Amino acid sequence: NAGVTQTPKFRILKIGQSMTLQCTQDMNHNYMYWYRQDPGMGLKLIYYSVGAGITDKGEVPNGYNVSRSTTEDFPLRLELAAPSQTSVYFCASSHPIGSGNTIYFGEGSWLTVV
Amino acid sequence: QKEVEQNSGPLSVPEGAIASLNCTYSDRGSQSFFWYRQYSGKSPELIMFIYSNGDKEDGRFTAQLNKASQYVSLLIRDSQPSDSATYLCAPEAGSGNTPLVFGKGTRLSVIA
Repeated sequence: NAGVTQTPKFRILKIGQSMTLQCTQDMNHNYMYWYRQDPGMGLKLIYYSVGAGITDKGEVPNGYNVSRSTTEDFPLRLELAAPSQTSVYFCASSHPIGSGNTIYFGEGSWLTVV
Repeated sequence: QKEVEQNSGPLSVPEGAIASLNCTYSDRGSQSFFWYRQYSGKSPELIMFIYSNGDKEDGRFTAQLNKASQYVSLLIRDSQPSDSATYLCAPEAGSGNTPLVFGKGTRLSVIA
């Protein structure tokens, strides 16, 4: 029962460093998402993908990049990390939205930029 | 953008009481809604999906949707301390490819 798997779970970055958050799902979902959640706040959509080779910006895409070369994988790249990117990052996946399909979330990646 | 408003709380109720969580939305095109529950330090998990006006019951949970007034609510009967969590409301995108936009969530605290 893997579902949505994110790595790493915890990471500390220095300002200006770059890193990639990995996300993979084994449910053959076409749709995948990256959300961030700041302390005490709701989920903000960073990027999403409706299938391999297709990505689109969400509410807060600045400072991030994504790619979707396979159905299973949807990595999130942080370039030039900034303290404002300190947050919890959730990857998620689902079947096509519009039919009540549940979004399944990974366990989250805690990122601190110092 | 499908704006969603929720009272951030905390909403405190005694054990055994009914907890009422509310969500209003601005986009009249929103036809259906999810309620997710999120425990502290954990990822959100689905509680309810509602797409018709009226009530939908699932165990101790009842979701209510009023499209004319643009609000959706979640009632939790016989509240338990284990219900203490943040509850997130999100309109489903409906047709098209736009994903869910979540409300900020309401933090519920059930006092034993």
